[in-house]
Amino acid sequence: DAMVIQNPRYQVTQFGKPVTLSCSQTLNHNVMYWYQQKSSQAPKLLFHYYDKDFNNEADTPDNFQSRRPNTSFCFLDIRSPGLGDAAMYLCATSRDWGNQPQHFGDGTRLSIL
Amino acid sequence: QKEVEQNSGPLSVPEGAIASLNCTYSDRGSQSFFWYRQYSGKSPELIMFIYSNGDKEDGRFTAQLNKASQYVSLLIRDSQPSDSATYLCAVLEAPGGGADGLTFGKGTHLIIQP
Repeated sequence: DAMVIQNPRYQVTQFGKPVTLSCSQTLNHNVMYWYQQKSSQAPKLLFHYYDKDFNNEADTPDNFQSRRPNTSFCFLDIRSPGLGDAAMYLCATSRDWGNQPQHFGDGTRLSIL
Repeated sequence: QKEVEQNSGPLSVPEGAIASLNCTYSDRGSQSFFWYRQYSGKSPELIMFIYSNGDKEDGRFTAQLNKASQYVSLLIRDSQPSDSATYLCAVLEAPGGGADGLTFGKGTHLIIQP
């Protein structure tokens, strides 16, 4: 089945140690998104790409970076994770801008030691 | 600041009854409305989307939208225990109005009692 695939499902890192989360899609969608969801909270948009055009939310910390080397892959880099960055990180895709449903991967649960 | 409000619950409904989930939103320019189901520890799963005022039905699910009242709801008929989950309302503002990401409510925790 066409999918949004996130790896790894669970990631443990040390305080301050850089970590990279990955997302791939076989839907050939133009738009890819990264959301952060903390326990019992709503998912919060961090950034999104339309093709290779990058859009950063105003309140996304500088500690978070993203790369989209091609249509299929998108990466979330956390340069110096703090305890407050422990969360579920969700990748989503949509075919295009506008009234397009977003489809989510299974998420990566990040723990910080 | 765009806001999407949902009653966090828990909302407890007997098996076989109709579950009614409600959501209000603050941005009058919003155009697209989505309901996602999220099981504990899992990612959101798209259930329904609606763009126009009125009702939209898909199987046991009906989404209702009233843009004048800035209100969207989800009805689940013949509720099953497997429907027990958190239901997230999400809103997308008009294209060109800024970020194209969804603004989510915090979700309503639904419990279907056997």
